[in-house]
Amino acid sequence: GIQVEQSPPDLILQEGANSTLRCNFSDSVNNLQWFHQNPWGQLINLFYIPSGTKQNGRLSATTVATERYSLLYISSSQTTDSGVYFCAVESGANSKLTFGKGITLSVRP
Amino acid sequence: GAVVSQHPSRVICKSGTSVKIECRSLDFQATTMFWYRQFPKQSLMLMATSNEGSKATYEQGVEKDKFLINHASLTLSTLTVTSAHPEDSSFYICSGLRGFSEAFFGQGTRLTVV
Repeated sequence: GIQVEQSPPDLILQEGANSTLRCNFSDSVNNLQWFHQNPWGQLINLFYIPSGTKQNGRLSATTVATERYSLLYISSSQTTDSGVYFCAVESGANSKLTFGKGITLSVRP
Repeated sequence: GAVVSQHPSRVICKSGTSVKIECRSLDFQATTMFWYRQFPKQSLMLMATSNEGSKATYEQGVEKDKFLINHASLTLSTLTVTSAHPEDSSFYICSGLRGFSEAFFGQGTRLTVV
């Protein structure tokens, strides 16, 4: 099956800093989503982005499908950005998402 | 974004009893719902795919007789953990598929079996 690798595994930032989170995948995809899992376990949809670039406030994402990677940019980070960021892809006809291992982000005040 | 509601958020049960977890799509119809399990500090592991009106499809290694899934309507799927044991303690999360592409997740259920 498709492999999803996220990097770095852990990231510590000072409040106000910018960061880039990366997601590599091993095959072509129909769907790619970025999620933020908050400390209570809720998965928040950030982007549905199988290709192209999207922006939502301080967050933006770019997926280069031909090169099999996606990037999530966080600008002017805040303590509330802390949590785990997951990239998930769907590559078959069954709509099943395969998740990466996640990136744990800690933003310090 | 779309809303998926999952209940209960926390449950503690005695070993040998059964627990039912509900997953509802509140503002869209979800022909397909998924159930995941997540262990501490790990990623989500897909347990089964639930399609409205048909039997669930379980991933390899998931016991279908232990984890009963019912998808009776386009807005409701349930997961019943039967004869629960301490090793079933985990965080269970459901998701509903809007259209055929974007997945939205419930709040999760933390199950503790004592």
